[in-house]
Amino acid sequence: DAKTTQPTSMDCAEGRAANLPCNHSTISGNEYVYWYRQIHSQGPQYIIHGLKNNETNEMASLIITEDRKSSTLILPHATLRDTAVYYCIVRVDSGGSNYKLTFGKGTLLTVNP
Amino acid sequence: GAVVSQHPSRVICKSGTSVKIECRSLDFQATTMFWYRQFPKQSLMLMATSNEGSKATYEQGVEKDKFLINHASLTLSTLTVTSAHPEDSSFYICSARVTGGTQGYGYTFGSGTRLTVV
Repeated sequence: DAKTTQPTSMDCAEGRAANLPCNHSTISGNEYVYWYRQIHSQGPQYIIHGLKNNETNEMASLIITEDRKSSTLILPHATLRDTAVYYCIVRVDSGGSNYKLTFGKGTLLTVNP
Repeated sequence: GAVVSQHPSRVICKSGTSVKIECRSLDFQATTMFWYRQFPKQSLMLMATSNEGSKATYEQGVEKDKFLINHASLTLSTLTVTSAHPEDSSFYICSARVTGGTQGYGYTFGSGTRLTVV
């Protein structure tokens, strides 16, 4: 899997948009960008994933640059409950059942009142 | 959506005893499950891959005789920490692959088990 680089921490005001960047300059053509988050003392939670096009779901939007070397996760209206560590993971969307998911250090997003 | 149930959520045990952690897929069959360990302020580290009906595959540096994994059915995988010591105190998390659907080839995670060895 391609290596990713994320800021260690970020702050955001409640109600504002949170934009979390991720660099993945060595991404290959068949690798997807996945985002997960982990709220303190809980298991990680899937947020969104994409290959080339921008994606949006009920939780967030994912913006992938045209060269696919970086992406941004957008939480449109951050709440206090969005305070968590956010992990950007690049991997092949493989059907192999043993394919491992490897976590980096992620970004600690703190949403402030 | 696909749900993985993990129990217990917290356990305190004495040094030298064994602790079993269960991970169940509630509404889907999980041929493969993954076990992670997370120390305070650190990221998740994969310990082993659990395959139904066969031996688990352990990551380098993880003692297979200390962390026994059993995946006897398509909905249950267990991790037993044997002869636990204080340094085994950690947050243990299981995960199962979700094939297809809105998550793509994503993963769903249990809520984790906080193990404290005293």
